[in-house]
Amino acid sequence: KAGVTQTPRYLIKTRGQQVTLSCSPISGHRSVSWYQQTPGQGLQFLFEYFSETQRNKGNFPGRFSGRQFSNSRSEMNVSTLELGDSALYLCASRRRTGDYEQYFGPGTRLTVT
Amino acid sequence: DAKTTQPTSMDCAEGRAANLPCNHSTISGNEYVYWYRQIHSQGPQYIIHGLKNNETNEMASLIITEDRKSSTLILPHATLRDTAVYYCIVRVGETSYDKVIFGPGTSLSVIP
Repeated sequence: KAGVTQTPRYLIKTRGQQVTLSCSPISGHRSVSWYQQTPGQGLQFLFEYFSETQRNKGNFPGRFSGRQFSNSRSEMNVSTLELGDSALYLCASRRRTGDYEQYFGPGTRLTVT
Repeated sequence: DAKTTQPTSMDCAEGRAANLPCNHSTISGNEYVYWYRQIHSQGPQYIIHGLKNNETNEMASLIITEDRKSSTLILPHATLRDTAVYYCIVRVGETSYDKVIFGPGTSLSVIP
């Protein structure tokens, strides 16, 4: 079956703009988590959604938000972009919150100039 | 939250076993140890997980010490395609409020 897909794969934005990233989980998976990966900070958890509800949130400012739709697809939004937001944004899905196996998408590479 | 420590980097000869250690001395009784790997420019890939017993699958074996304070991921016959960053993580929190904390990982280089 198809894996986790993320769009777009690459994005260039300027400071102050906002951006929306999209994630489609594996069919049948209802939990979607988002991560930010940078060379300096490694892989950091942003938030997790299950059944359209945010179940947990990492230590990121309110500029980072997300939502999940009834078909389990998820979007992540970053407003008022800063240079430090340049990163690889990864989405991961699993059948439900608490499931052991989590499957990652290829990521969206965001560059803020 | 239980944290993990891993060596920054390791080398392994092609065809030999790669043994990647991980310390998780503050792990609590209901936390599982997971291993993922990330090949350059791709998302992390699940490898294996365990609670207290040793585990084996088609990709690797996981050896967890009796006190659960450390574990070792074993790739029995490393190939060049196993060159990646390997993350050892522990699952934190209640079932409904899981989050996964990734450390910097171990960069494994498989050498021909």
